[in-house]
Amino acid sequence: AQTVTQSQPEMSVQEAETVTLSCTYDTSESDYYLFWYKQPPSRQMILVIRQEAYKQQNATENRFSVNFQKAAKSFSLKISDSQLGDAAMYFCALSPGGGADGLTFGKGTHLIIQP
Amino acid sequence: SAVISQKPSRDICQRGTSLTIQCQVDSQVTMMFWYRQQPGQSLTLIATANQGSEATYESGFVIDKFPISRPNLTFSTLTVSNMSPEDSSIYLCSVVVPRDGAHTFGSGTRLTVV
Repeated sequence: AQTVTQSQPEMSVQEAETVTLSCTYDTSESDYYLFWYKQPPSRQMILVIRQEAYKQQNATENRFSVNFQKAAKSFSLKISDSQLGDAAMYFCALSPGGGADGLTFGKGTHLIIQP
Repeated sequence: SAVISQKPSRDICQRGTSLTIQCQVDSQVTMMFWYRQQPGQSLTLIATANQGSEATYESGFVIDKFPISRPNLTFSTLTVSNMSPEDSSIYLCSVVVPRDGAHTFGSGTRLTVV
């Protein structure tokens, strides 16, 4: 069984600043995928970034990057130059195996952007 | 990535009745998943639906309560049966394209049971 832990129920950041959301996980699988999803009030789940466990290089998507520490089972999300549109719930998730299994989600972090 | 059409977007239902939620995908996919998101909570996997076989349910979810159909590679339904107010949640379907690794979600169905 997998577990995903997000220890920050809520985070607040000033517009244009940088914020880091924390995520730790546990799995007995050697191959797995990690994801960050964004859920705005519209409830649509939007993929922010994904990381394949066998890749050592941290994934980056524009202003979003991850710090993947496989030995520590840590997968944090850094948002640079925060924008008002980044305000949402952010969920960390894990899919074991080759990524084709269902996702195990963390409890989420509510990100507030202060103008 | 795949595009998913999920219906209905919301519904208000009487307790004791059933609701069927539909998900249509614009491409053929092997794996489809159904999730529940209770108010203010995270997403929990209900079951995995493979075409041509019985759905695989996660612990705490049973087929009698959440029957799933998967008649082809582009379509699936989830029925919430004999509903009670505790079933009030958002229900979401998702698919994954192998080798791509990204899980794409439908827009969700907000169910309220009164």
